[in-house]
Amino acid sequence: GESVGLHLPTLSVQEGDNSIINCAYSNSASDYFIWYKQESGKGPQFIIDIRSNMDKRQGQRVTVLLNKTVKHLSLQIAATQPGDSAVYFCAENSGGYNKLIFGAGTRLAVHP
Amino acid sequence: EPEVTQTPSHQVTQMGQEVILRCVPISNHLYFYWYRQILGQKVEFLVSFYNNEISEKSEIFDDQFSVERPDGSNFTLKIRSTKLEDSAMYFCASSEDSDQPQHFGDGTRLSIL
Repeated sequence: GESVGLHLPTLSVQEGDNSIINCAYSNSASDYFIWYKQESGKGPQFIIDIRSNMDKRQGQRVTVLLNKTVKHLSLQIAATQPGDSAVYFCAENSGGYNKLIFGAGTRLAVHP
Repeated sequence: EPEVTQTPSHQVTQMGQEVILRCVPISNHLYFYWYRQILGQKVEFLVSFYNNEISEKSEIFDDQFSVERPDGSNFTLKIRSTKLEDSAMYFCASSEDSDQPQHFGDGTRLSIL
């Protein structure tokens, strides 16, 4: 059922450090995963995606790792900057017409 | 960079009234979606739309909800008789294909009084 008023886990890091945000997904049949960044008052912004035939994918300063055995996804951000402060959501494609199931989100707070 | 645009940014409506939320998806995208996010909660899927028909809808998307692509650029979500619990951020998204990333607009905050 729904959780009312989810308290978001928060990851606090120092500027310049690397950040790792984790996500557990629910459906072993999901074959496509996306990380989104959501800043206050904005919509989810696409960061990086990965398909189930891969276990790692790299972008600019970001890396996504997929472990299908334990249904775990992680987002690594290198040299974290104050502009990276936001809520990060993982989303899985549960099949069908690209219906995305979002995770609860993790708040990343970057301190100077 | 092309983006999804949504209007209005904030809509205040009396309970029981109809409301239409508007979206202009990215121009070469063929798949369109609506999601909502109740304050402090997860982003939830409402409906997907392709080739002028609904592809999939969630339990939330009941008979009070409808979607339409009235012309070549707009994609709308209508709530016929709003309830207090419809208060949320509503996000429109679009994708080039069904297995491509969905790109989101900045949402419409719907407040039902």
